[in-house]
Amino acid sequence: AQKITQTQPGMFVQEKEAVTLDCTYDTSDPSYGLFWYKQPSSGEMIFLIYQGSYDQQNATEGRYSLNFQKARKSANLVISASQLGDSAMYFCAMREGPAAGNKLTFGGGTRVLVKP
Amino acid sequence: EPEVTQTPSHQVTQMGQEVILRCVPISNHLYFYWYRQILGQKVEFLVSFYNNEISEKSEIFDDQFSVERPDGSNFTLKIRSTKLEDSAMYFCASSTIPGLVAPQETQYFGPGTRLLVL
Repeated sequence: AQKITQTQPGMFVQEKEAVTLDCTYDTSDPSYGLFWYKQPSSGEMIFLIYQGSYDQQNATEGRYSLNFQKARKSANLVISASQLGDSAMYFCAMREGPAAGNKLTFGGGTRVLVKP
Repeated sequence: EPEVTQTPSHQVTQMGQEVILRCVPISNHLYFYWYRQILGQKVEFLVSFYNNEISEKSEIFDDQFSVERPDGSNFTLKIRSTKLEDSAMYFCASSTIPGLVAPQETQYFGPGTRLLVL
């Protein structure tokens, strides 16, 4: 089974609108971290937002928020007020506990294109 | 703001040649990682490194690969005899405290080295 699933290969969003990127994960470890990274066409991986498995509240960072539904094992990223510069690939990733070596496992990504 | 740096940004090499990819992690970070991303595919974990030794490695990280921290700032990935399938973007990352279930566990990535093996 896939550890991280991103079901939307690509999305269009109108500038200034909000967009939700889906991410579901699979782990039996109670201690894990969830991350979203942005990869623009230039190729670098930019950290956006983090959610720990014990966090009671959804994480927010500026225009980014994470809709964390632990029972459903989902960690969707919401980008509010989309800007042209938000056009990029977005990757969801999970870090499982020390027994799994603390490595990140990535989903397949969602390509977002913001239309003016 | 501190950042991970990587050199070179691009490397073209002939099959069978050795390449060394270099990284300077964020200065107060103690854990270092290499990942790779074959064009159009997922980012894959290669190896993690702490206290001058490998913490974990993936199946991809075979005997052709090695890592080293030759001094107090650099972290290198060596591919001894490159194959065509080693062509990929290689990312270095670093973190302070992995596994903490807190923001301090975040892994910050460098800009990547795009390796092309001909």
